[in-house]
Formats: sequence, structure tokens, C-alpha cells
Amino acid sequence: DAGVIQSPRHEVTEMGQEVTLRCKPISGHNSLFWYRQTMMRGLELLIYFNNNVPIDDSGMPEDRFSAKMPNASFSTLKIQPSEPRDSAVYFCASRRDINLYNEQFFGPGTRLTVL
Amino acid sequence: DAKTTQPNSMESNEEEPVHLPCNHSTISGTDYIHWYRQLPSQGPEYVIHGLTSNVNNRMASLAIAEDRKSSTLILHRATLRDAAVYYCILRDGQFYFGTGTSLTVIP
Repeated sequence: DAGVIQSPRHEVTEMGQEVTLRCKPISGHNSLFWYRQTMMRGLELLIYFNNNVPIDDSGMPEDRFSAKMPNASFSTLKIQPSEPRDSAVYFCASRRDINLYNEQFFGPGTRLTVL
Repeated sequence: DAKTTQPNSMESNEEEPVHLPCNHSTISGTDYIHWYRQLPSQGPEYVIHGLTSNVNNRMASLAIAEDRKSSTLILHRATLRDAAVYYCILRDGQFYFGTGTSLTVIP
């Protein structure tokens, strides 16, 4: 298995532009997570999907952020309009929810820089 | 949400054991204790998990206090490749990572 796939790996954009980050979870995993990591705040959970349905989006910072999971093999995180403070590494993770202790598998991350 | 407390940083000499502590005094009876680590420029990766009993795997050991209010991740012989940020997490639906412990391994 190729693991969790994220694209792009790096993104540089200008303030005000729309940014779309993509994630392909591991086949057979039914939970998907988006995280954001910065030096100041560490690793923060943004949103969590289970069986393609958003379960908890309380970590989404504001209305400029939106996430979708149209099917079991694809998810997007969109920022519109982007701001310099959105600069961070964004991780996607997936998990097969069978037991309470199943591990999450993380992708390599997308490093976003908003100028 | 049950929270964890870890030291910000620790150092270890190469090939010596490392004990990484974690306090979780508000843990509930059904919370599993998970440890993940994040190597530089990579996403976090699973290390080990446990509920009540001590656990061993090829990467590490997990020692859980009898009252479950604390736990310790044990790396038996630290290598340079073990330099990472180590996160102690209580499973509560999803994971809340916090800032973890940054481990430096000294050659």
C-alpha cells in the first residue's frame, strides 16, 4: 500500500488566493483527519470524517476553511481566501475504525506558504 | 477532554535507555494511552499503545502506572534515528496531540 497520499507537497501562494489541499487515504480506512502544524500551536486537529461524513469540525479556524470528502478515497481542504497566518504544514491521516485503539496513519504533509 | 502533560524536551546519550514521562491525571477508564513520534520533516507515526498493562513491541515499551494517571515510554537503547518529538495521547474519539517532548540524542 502506498500509504496516505497528499498533494501538493509544497504550495506557495499569495494572500487572497484560493488554496486546495488534497488527500487520498489508505484503502479500506473509514476515518480521515486533517491536522495543521505550526511552531506556535503544535499539531492541531481541524476536522474528522467518518464514513465520508464530517463528525467534528470544531477545530476549523474560521469560515475561510472548508473540507469535503465526496467519496471514501478522496478529501480536500480548501482555504479561501488565504492569509499569511495560514502558513503551516497540513497533514492528512486515515484510520480503520475497528477498535478503540486503532492507529492513525499520516501522510507526508503539505507545506503551505502564504505570502 | 482528558489532557496529557509532558516535558518540553529531554536529552539522552546514544545507546542509553530513555524514559519519556507523561501525566494524564484525568484519564477515564476507557481511554487508551497512545504514543506517536514525529521525525524531522515527517508526519507523526505510531509507536505503541496500552490500556492497563505494560506493553512491549519492537520499537519501545510502555509502562503504565497502576492508577493509570501516568505512563512512561521506554526506548531501551536510544539511537540517533530516535531523535524526534514524542506525543502522549489519550484516545477520545480522535487525537489531540499537544506539543509533545522533543528528544535529542547525543552521539
